[in-house]
Amino acid sequence: DGGITQSPKYLFRKEGQNVTLSCEQNLNHDAMYWYRQDPGQGLRLIYYSQIVNDFQKGDIAEGYSVSREKKESFPLTVTSAQKNPTAFYLCASSTLGTSYEQYFGPGTRLTVT
Amino acid sequence: KNQVEQSPQSLIILEGKNCTLQCNYTVSPFSNLRWYKQDTGRGPVSLTIMTFSENTKSNGRYTATLDADTKQSSLHITASQLSDSASYICVVDTDKLIFGTGTRLQVFP
Repeated sequence: DGGITQSPKYLFRKEGQNVTLSCEQNLNHDAMYWYRQDPGQGLRLIYYSQIVNDFQKGDIAEGYSVSREKKESFPLTVTSAQKNPTAFYLCASSTLGTSYEQYFGPGTRLTVT
Repeated sequence: KNQVEQSPQSLIILEGKNCTLQCNYTVSPFSNLRWYKQDTGRGPVSLTIMTFSENTKSNGRYTATLDADTKQSSLHITASQLSDSASYICVVDTDKLIFGTGTRLQVFP
C-alpha cells in the first residue's frame, strides 16, 4: 500500500447521510485519484486532481464531491445524492507524466443501509 | 468503445503449478499496459508496466507478454504459491486508465 493511507477501513452509514472518506499520501505525488470498485466490474474513476486546489470529474462523479487543499490530502465525500453508495473505494496517487505508476491505498468499504 | 476483457473469470490451481491469464483490449490510442495484483479487501499493487515497444516483462515469478498487433496480453505465473491467491487486473492506459474486471486466482495446497 506504499505511503497512502485511507481511513476508516470499514464505514457504515444510514441512507440520506453524507460521509467523508479520508486519503493521505506521503509520497510527494502531484496527482491523486478516487476509484470505486463493485463486484464484477473494473475500477471506475470518480475524481482526480493533478494540483492543489484543482480537480476534475471522472466517469462517475455524480453524487460525489472532493477537495484538494493540501498536496498530501484528497478527501472524498459521498453525498446523499449518490444512488448506490455501497462499494469499495480506492484512493491512488502518482507522479505526473507518461507511464506513471499509480500507487493505491488499502481501500475503504462503505456500506449504506 | 474502449474495453479490456480478461479471461478466465476465475481459476483454481494447485500449489507449484504454472498458469496463464489472458487480457484482450480494444483501446485506442494505446500508451501502455499494466498488470496489478489485488488481494481480497486490499488495494491493487503494480506487477508490470509495458509500453508499445515491449514484448515481455518479468517481475520475479510473474512474466507479462504484450502483442500490440493483436491487442492481447498475458500474465504467466510460474511455480505458484499460496500467496498468489488474489485477483489479477489488466489495465490499459489510453488518455486514461481502462480497467479490466480481473481474474480471480485461487491456489490450493
